[in-house]
Order: sequence, then structure tokens, then C-alpha cells
Amino acid sequence: SQKIEQNSEALNIQEGKTATLTCNYTNYSPAYLQWYRQDPGRGPVFLLLIRENEKEKRKERLKVTFDTTLKQSLFHITASQPADSATYLCALADNQAGTALIFGKGTTLSVSS
Amino acid sequence: DAGVIQSPRHEVTEMGQEVTLRCKPISGHDYLFWYRQTMMRGLELLIYFNNNVPIDDSGMPEDRFSAKMPNASFSTLKIQPSEPRDSAVYFCASSLWGTGYTFGSGTRLTVV
Repeated sequence: SQKIEQNSEALNIQEGKTATLTCNYTNYSPAYLQWYRQDPGRGPVFLLLIRENEKEKRKERLKVTFDTTLKQSLFHITASQPADSATYLCALADNQAGTALIFGKGTTLSVSS
Repeated sequence: DAGVIQSPRHEVTEMGQEVTLRCKPISGHDYLFWYRQTMMRGLELLIYFNNNVPIDDSGMPEDRFSAKMPNASFSTLKIQPSEPRDSAVYFCASSLWGTGYTFGSGTRLTVV
């Protein structure tokens, strides 16, 4: 069956450290993969998009990697801050299924000062 | 741009009543999506439109759910009759092809 799996457990880290979140997928052939941030009571906010032919993408303190062999994307936040505390969602657009994004359930990150 | 606008923000209704959720996408975006979010199932795609035409409604749970997009600036999601298991947060999002989605603030629906 098709699955997108993110760490179900919350990730707790200290301010200033690098947070690394994992997204694994099964039985999809993604054209691209995206990461979103969601705060309580709000809609998801788009952060980064990485295409199947790209290995890495950066935006300020954020970095995303995409390994189609391992069927995995890693999302890194360097020099993390308490304001980075939120739920982070991984989503992919399957080549075979069309253009709509399919979302993982997200990982909740908590950064303590 | 004010972003994707959804209304109402909260809706409490009795089982069996009709519920209509509304969405105004970002001007110029040619894709519009309806998602539902629950703790158990996460974000689930219900239906999406391209240039006002429904492309994939396979995520619509039952015939009780229907969605329309009469023009490029407006879409509705209707549930008739509503049931308690429909309680969730419903999100509308819009995008250009192959880009990030812009989500609205969502409608929190409670069916009692």
C-alpha cells in the first residue's frame, strides 16, 4: 500500500541545535516533494519544494534533501529557535496520480530555550 | 493579496443539517483544493479543480459531499446531510501548477 511516514513522536531539541525531520514514502513515484509548517489553529504554510532530479535545496536556515533511492526526504533547521516550534508536514505529488499533494501526518517540533 | 479566504471560521450544526463551506482562492491561481484534517487521519484530499473543472473527486467520502467551482474566484463544499463523523477542520488551498500551495485558515466544523 502507499504510505508517507513522518516521525509520529514529537521532536524536542535545545535552542541553537539543528533539528532533523524525516519523511519516508512507499509505493509512490514523486515528481516533487514539499515541506510545510503548521501552527495550532492555522493552515499549513509552504516552506520548500524539491524536485525529483534535485538532491538538496536551501532557504535561509532551512535545508531539504531528497533521496529517491532511499525514498526519503530530510528536513533540517539549523540554529533552531523557540519560534521554530510547530508541526512540520511533508507532502508529495505522485507522478502517476496527478498533481494534488498527498500529505504525511507531520512531526511536532519543540525548541526549548 | 489577502490570501485564500475561507468562511465561516467555525460552524456548529446539528446532525442532518446542510452545511456549506466557502472559499475564495488567490487571484490567478488555476488550481483549487479541498482538504479535511483530523487528528486520526491527518490532511486528506477531498477534491481538486483545475481552471474551475473538477479533476479528481475520489477523496470525497460519500454522496453526501459535493463541491462546486462556478467561477475562478469562488468554490463551495457542501455536506448534506451532515453527520457527527464529518467533524473536522476543512481547508481550501490554491496554487499554480507545480508550486507550493497557499492554504486558507480553515473551517472548524462540529456536528452534534
